[in-house]
Amino acid sequence: EVQLLESGGGFVQPGGSLRLSCAASGFTFSSYAMTWVRQAPGKGLEWVSSISATGDTAYYADSVKGRFTFSRDNSKNTLYLQMNSLRAEDTAVYYCAKVRLLYTYGPAMHWGQGTLVTVSS
Amino acid sequence: DIQMTQSPSSLSASVGDRVTITCRASHSIGNYLNWYQQKPGKAPNLLIYAASSLQSGVPSRFSGGGFGIDFTLTITSLQPEDFATYYCQQSYTTPVTFGQGTRLEIK
Repeated sequence: EVQLLESGGGFVQPGGSLRLSCAASGFTFSSYAMTWVRQAPGKGLEWVSSISATGDTAYYADSVKGRFTFSRDNSKNTLYLQMNSLRAEDTAVYYCAKVRLLYTYGPAMHWGQGTLVTVSS
Repeated sequence: DIQMTQSPSSLSASVGDRVTITCRASHSIGNYLNWYQQKPGKAPNLLIYAASSLQSGVPSRFSGGGFGIDFTLTITSLQPEDFATYYCQQSYTTPVTFGQGTRLEIK
């Protein structure tokens, strides 16, 4: 059974940093691209970033480019989203998701339960 | 960026009804169009990928169509568990973009 478990969310002041993790199990992790999608309270879905299966290439939304870094450790079956210079508008539930095989940044066929990031003073 | 516009934004229907949600892309995206269902407090669930391919485990009352710019998600014979919010997504190019969502409510 595919499982994705996010952690690392929490409360942070504007300008601060957080690192989200996503532990994966139940599939050959190193074969799949992965993605982060976020959802602000009461709002729709927003793509944040995607990373290739090898981790060589990452893609970012303009809203996070230069502030967020998406990486993966295929030896640990774990994803990382380093979030710096956080802003109030980054407040959201962050989901990690597994991209369907042979696709680069979608469709996302398995999702974690999400972790809440709150940026506020 | 490719803009994805869903219509309607909300929809009221009854159990047993057939409903169709549309999604329009601002540029041609071939068949790189996916549909998700999301229930309150839960992660999204992939229903349809590549415009018309049914994700494993999804009931056959869900179907997708379209190519290029205009796409549809059709649910035949609505069931109580289908009342949720639906999103389209283009994965043709980055930035990946979602539609604004269609909230399907019980009439």
